[in-house]
Amino acid sequence: EVQLVQSGAEVKKPGESLKISCQGSGYNFTSYWIGWVRQKPGKGLEWMGIIYPRDSDTRYSPSFQGQVTISTDTSISTAFLQWSSLKASDTAMYYCARHSVVVPPAMPSSYYYYMDVWGKGTTVTVSS
Amino acid sequence: SYDLTQPPSVSVSPGQTASITCSGDQLGFKYVSWYQQKPGQSPVLVIYHDSKRPSGIPERFSGSNAVNTATLTISGTQAMDEADFYCQAWDSNTVVLGGGTKLTVL
Repeated sequence: EVQLVQSGAEVKKPGESLKISCQGSGYNFTSYWIGWVRQKPGKGLEWMGIIYPRDSDTRYSPSFQGQVTISTDTSISTAFLQWSSLKASDTAMYYCARHSVVVPPAMPSSYYYYMDVWGKGTTVTVSS
Repeated sequence: SYDLTQPPSVSVSPGQTASITCSGDQLGFKYVSWYQQKPGQSPVLVIYHDSKRPSGIPERFSGSNAVNTATLTISGTQAMDEADFYCQAWDSNTVVLGGGTKLTVL
């Protein structure tokens, strides 16, 4: 069974650092992009960025570029989302999601990604 | 940046057909995916490539995409379908998500 197992809930103070994790199993971890999605309480989904574990190619949403760091450790099939200095506004649920890419044979330039497997989420609370 | 616009809410009676729209500039030239998120749960992929259903997704879920609007259609809507739905496309090397639509089954 393909699954993504995320680390447990975190409670932090503003200014602290944090690294949360997402371990993949049941598939070849290095063959799929994996990324992170934020959901603030009562709000919609916000895509943060993705990484390709095989070569660490990373792409960030402009909204999150420079605010977080996405990385992987292929030896343990795990992706990470890291903050160096948390803010109260980082309080949210964070989901990791496996991204599959489709390259239409008739139009290779129209390739696209979709999120086919999701973790259960990690709640991050930042409060003084 | 590219934007996807969804209605905040849609209501439907049990057994009827629900349609949720997603609008974007020349969206018909992109491929759209849809996700269902029930309260307290992770999102689940219900449609990709405009109209394909992943394994395990009921046939009552279908999708279409043309010109500037993609549509998720739920035929014979059931109470268990009540959830938030999000459309998604890929643009300029980023995933773009719609704001979400709350489907209420009255």
